[in-house]
Amino acid sequence: GQNIDQPTEMTATEGAIVQINCTYQTSGFNGLFWYQQHAGEAPTFLSYNVLDGLEEKGRFSSFLSRSKGYSYLLLKELQMKDSASYLCAVMDSNYQLIWGAGTKLIIKP
Amino acid sequence: DTAVSQTPKYLVTQMGNDKSIKCEQNLGHDTMYWYKQDSKKFLKIMFSYNNKELIINETVPNRFSPKSPDKAHLNLHINSLELGDSAVYFCASSPPGEVEKLFFGSGTQLSVL
Repeated sequence: GQNIDQPTEMTATEGAIVQINCTYQTSGFNGLFWYQQHAGEAPTFLSYNVLDGLEEKGRFSSFLSRSKGYSYLLLKELQMKDSASYLCAVMDSNYQLIWGAGTKLIIKP
Repeated sequence: DTAVSQTPKYLVTQMGNDKSIKCEQNLGHDTMYWYKQDSKKFLKIMFSYNNKELIINETVPNRFSPKSPDKAHLNLHINSLELGDSAVYFCASSPPGEVEKLFFGSGTQLSVL
């Protein structure tokens, strides 16, 4: 079967750094995505990795290791508005997105 | 505003009823989708629709049917609603050649009583 695993919930402090991990097992791989979803709102696209390595976008970076079936999302200089769920999704060989259940990130002052 | 918009935001109805959720995108995208997000927050694709080609997730009951009057609209019709249909339904679209970059509507919270 196909599955995406990520922690259910994480807590971090404003101004700090947090790393949200995602491991996956899918039939084929055509890229890994991170989306941010605030409570009661739609997911919004954050990043896309298809090659191994680190992609940096401002305060957010995403890393991929295809051989390990592993990715992480790194958030720096945390702000209260970063409190949200972070969804990891993998596009399989049929170009279908397989979604994780999301990691709820709680930021404390 | 350019966006994916869906209505209604909330839908409360009785078991056995038939209901529709509307979705429109003015982003010029070719592909539109319907997703279901259950209580455990898993997003599951229901349908994707691209240039009149409909791809159906085989696990979706045939009580659910998408209707696309044109490229900018993909409505979701649900017949004989069941308690288990309660969830948040998201419409989404993606640009040509970038199926990985999904733009989501704000969601419709469906509650079946």
